[in-house]
Amino acid sequence: GAVVSQHPSWVICKSGTSVKIECRSLDFQATTMFWYRQFPKQSLMLMATSNEGSKATYEQGVEKDKFLINHASLTLSTLTVTSAHPEDSSFYICSAGPGSPQETQYFGPGTRLLVL
Amino acid sequence: GEDVEQSLFLSVREGDSSVINCTYTDSSSTYLYWYKQEPGAGLQLLTYIFSNMDMKQDQRLTVLLNKKDKHLSLRIADTQTGDSAIYFCAETLSGGYNKLIFGAGTRLAVHP
Repeated sequence: GAVVSQHPSWVICKSGTSVKIECRSLDFQATTMFWYRQFPKQSLMLMATSNEGSKATYEQGVEKDKFLINHASLTLSTLTVTSAHPEDSSFYICSAGPGSPQETQYFGPGTRLLVL
Repeated sequence: GEDVEQSLFLSVREGDSSVINCTYTDSSSTYLYWYKQEPGAGLQLLTYIFSNMDMKQDQRLTVLLNKKDKHLSLRIADTQTGDSAIYFCAETLSGGYNKLIFGAGTRLAVHP
């Protein structure tokens, strides 16, 4: 089956620093990848749609200058949390799909970010 | 608007069947999914059903779709302790570029 990996799996950083999270599709190419955020005991909130070779599409309320997304290749998307603050602490999950017709999304294992 | 709702908690005895329910509001849904999330982990795709289907069975899992009532259910037969997790219902919309709309998740607790 389709496999999506994320790196790192967890990260602790100081307030004010930037953190980069990678999302890779290991056995398929993904024109589109998605970034989600999940707070404890809550559902996933879509942050943005990452498009290979073009700008990401952000959901309402998500600051594009704070959450920088780069989709440089068909197998890699990165999310950079800039000038992280404690309220950015969360579980970040990416997903990707082989594309139509199934439109099935496969999720990475998630990255837990703790900002001190 | 887009909205997916689930009950938040379900407790069952080991060996019994579990039924997790989900309702959605958008009639343009194309695919409906069930994902499983274990503590501290990402989401695992369990199964999906296309919107023109009524039922799909995959080993212990049975998905029922009532498109008229916009109701989706997941039945787990012979529930085991390893099935304890959070189950998310999700939909994609026509022309939504695979964008998933998630429910809040149902926490399934399996006890002896």
